[in-house]
Amino acid sequence: AQSVAQPEDQVNVAEGNPLTVKCTYSVSGNPYLFWYVQYPNRGLQFLLKYITGDNLVKGSYGFEAEFNKSQTSFHLKKPSALVSDSALYFCAVRDGAGTYKYIFGTGTRLKVLA
Amino acid sequence: GAGVSQSPSNKVTEKGKDVELRCDPISGHTALYWYRQSLGQGLEFLIYFQGNSAPDKSGLPSDRFSAERTGGSVSTLTIQRTQQEDSAVYLCASSSSGTGALSTDTQYFGPGTRLTVL
Repeated sequence: AQSVAQPEDQVNVAEGNPLTVKCTYSVSGNPYLFWYVQYPNRGLQFLLKYITGDNLVKGSYGFEAEFNKSQTSFHLKKPSALVSDSALYFCAVRDGAGTYKYIFGTGTRLKVLA
Repeated sequence: GAGVSQSPSNKVTEKGKDVELRCDPISGHTALYWYRQSLGQGLEFLIYFQGNSAPDKSGLPSDRFSAERTGGSVSTLTIQRTQQEDSAVYLCASSSSGTGALSTDTQYFGPGTRLTVL
């Protein structure tokens, strides 16, 4: 069965510092990996995805994530955090060889301090 | 173009009543998903529809929950005999997931329906 873990409920980072939001996964086939963001009082928005190809994927708002097969991780990163990045971030996985069922993590709340 | 819409945006009901939640996906999207977001629980998969295939109902928490998708477009999630633990935000998403050239695997979410069971 597929699963996703986001080990941190909350991440605090100072504005201008690099940020990392962690995600590890488990699937039986090839993973399709996603990051979504939920801003206060707004719906979930797609940030980026890894399906195949280059392990480093770039997405919206300057975010990027690196697929690491050996560590089964897909951590979200940004070189310089903005206060406006403060939001709830969800990692999700789908088994590329299986159904179209997505499993989401429990979310990590990112707080960027001015 | 229009995004995914859901109605109502808020629903307050009494324990034991039935409720219906509606989702209008993006036109042309073949896949439609229902999730439940409870405080501190992240997104819980409920059900998904893919084209004309049988839906994957593996996430429905009990037989009080059911969903249908008419004509490959609008979907309704029905909760019968609501319980207080059903209180949550119910999210719908659609995508062009599939094996064709238009598949993107990106889900587009609606604003959700906040259900409160008293």
